[in-house]
Amino acid sequence: EAQVTQNPRYLITVTGKKLTVTCSQNMNHEYMSWYRQDPGLGLRQIYYSMNVEVTDKGDVPEGYKVSRKEKRNFPLILESPSPNQTSLYFCASSRTADMNTEAFFGQGTRLTVV
Amino acid sequence: AQSVTQLDSHVSVSEGTPVLLRCNYSSSYSPSLFWYVQHPNKGLQLLLKYTSAATLVKGINGFEAEFKKSETSFHLTKPSAHMSDAAEYFCVVSDQNDKIIFGKGTRLHILP
Repeated sequence: EAQVTQNPRYLITVTGKKLTVTCSQNMNHEYMSWYRQDPGLGLRQIYYSMNVEVTDKGDVPEGYKVSRKEKRNFPLILESPSPNQTSLYFCASSRTADMNTEAFFGQGTRLTVV
Repeated sequence: AQSVTQLDSHVSVSEGTPVLLRCNYSSSYSPSLFWYVQHPNKGLQLLLKYTSAATLVKGINGFEAEFKKSETSFHLTKPSAHMSDAAEYFCVVSDQNDKIIFGKGTRLHILP
């Protein structure tokens, strides 16, 4: 089954404690991206990756890092989480960066930073 | 600059009545436009997309949307709402550089 898998689904952590949210897709997609969803703001892109070893900042990259060492995985790293990073995070992948191709989304990771 | 505005943050309709979710966009170029749906505790799912072919686009679950360039609109409609349609809906625009922008979402409530 074609899918994008995020882990964990729920996470509560303390300020400053480094964490990683994993994202994996099994569709051999080139393009992957991370979004955060906040009430009244819709989804905002954090980082995206056009292919292996190619990443770039989205609209709200501050406080986040990503890596793309292999095609299927695109982890999101918060080196020193802060309460304003409490949010719902989605990973997405698509065959190419061309938006004519459908994006597939993971089920989301709800992060709370206290 | 690209932008997308969903005109209603919440819409409530009775089951069996028509649904209208409004979306306006601004774009310097011919955009691609999409509607995604997010059910509670689920990821986003593509409902339909417009990519400069037919202006009336049919999607899944009986939804459709019409691209109206003169009105810069891409409203989502369904003739008869079902309880399972209760969800949040996002209008999305992409530009010629494939940068995508999400609207802030419209939560659809279905009344029994």
